[in-house]
Amino acid sequence: KAGVTQTPRYLIKTRGQQVTLSCSPISGHRSVSWYQQTPGQGLQFLFEYFSETQRNKGNFPGRFSGRQFSNSRSEMNVSTLELGDSALYLCASKTLAGADTQYFGPGTRLTVL
Amino acid sequence: KQEVTQIPAALSVPEGENLVLNCSFTDSAIYNLQWFRQDPGKGLTSLLLIQSSQREQTSGRLNASLDKSSGRSTLYIAASQPGDSATYLCAVTGANNLFFGTGTRLTVIP
Repeated sequence: KAGVTQTPRYLIKTRGQQVTLSCSPISGHRSVSWYQQTPGQGLQFLFEYFSETQRNKGNFPGRFSGRQFSNSRSEMNVSTLELGDSALYLCASKTLAGADTQYFGPGTRLTVL
Repeated sequence: KQEVTQIPAALSVPEGENLVLNCSFTDSAIYNLQWFRQDPGKGLTSLLLIQSSQREQTSGRLNASLDKSSGRSTLYIAASQPGDSATYLCAVTGANNLFFGTGTRLTVIP
């Protein structure tokens, strides 16, 4: 089976712009979660989608949003980018919601100038 | 709020040594605990998952234990190799969220 894929792998944006990141889960996986990783804050949970519905949300401002499509692919959007949004954004998929092994993609490295 | 701590933050060992990485968490109401490996600039690779009802899991040279009552987990790596050099993260699952530790950066010196 193909693993979790994320596009693009690298992205450079300027402050104030918006960005959309994409995640394709492992075939058959219906849950997709997003995480932000920075040197200062480590790995932080953004949100989880299951069957096109947001099931859980971390403590991030409303500029961070996401959605999931009927084929389980997910997108994450960040509006009005700030310098502090520079990070590695990771998505992870698992078969079902709840306690299960999560499989991570390689991440999208976002740099905000 | 769940807090996950890993000690030490960094560790260097000569090749062939056995080593232990530690993880502690503040809320024992967890579904499971996972250990991940992350290579520089890359995503996470799941190494071991221990369900809350289990005490340990083994995979090859890796053995992870879980003591839910004391809020602790250890990852034991036997006969370390240079290819084991990476950052190791533990994460606990609670209410469908993963809470990650700060990681231990391991360097195995040939």
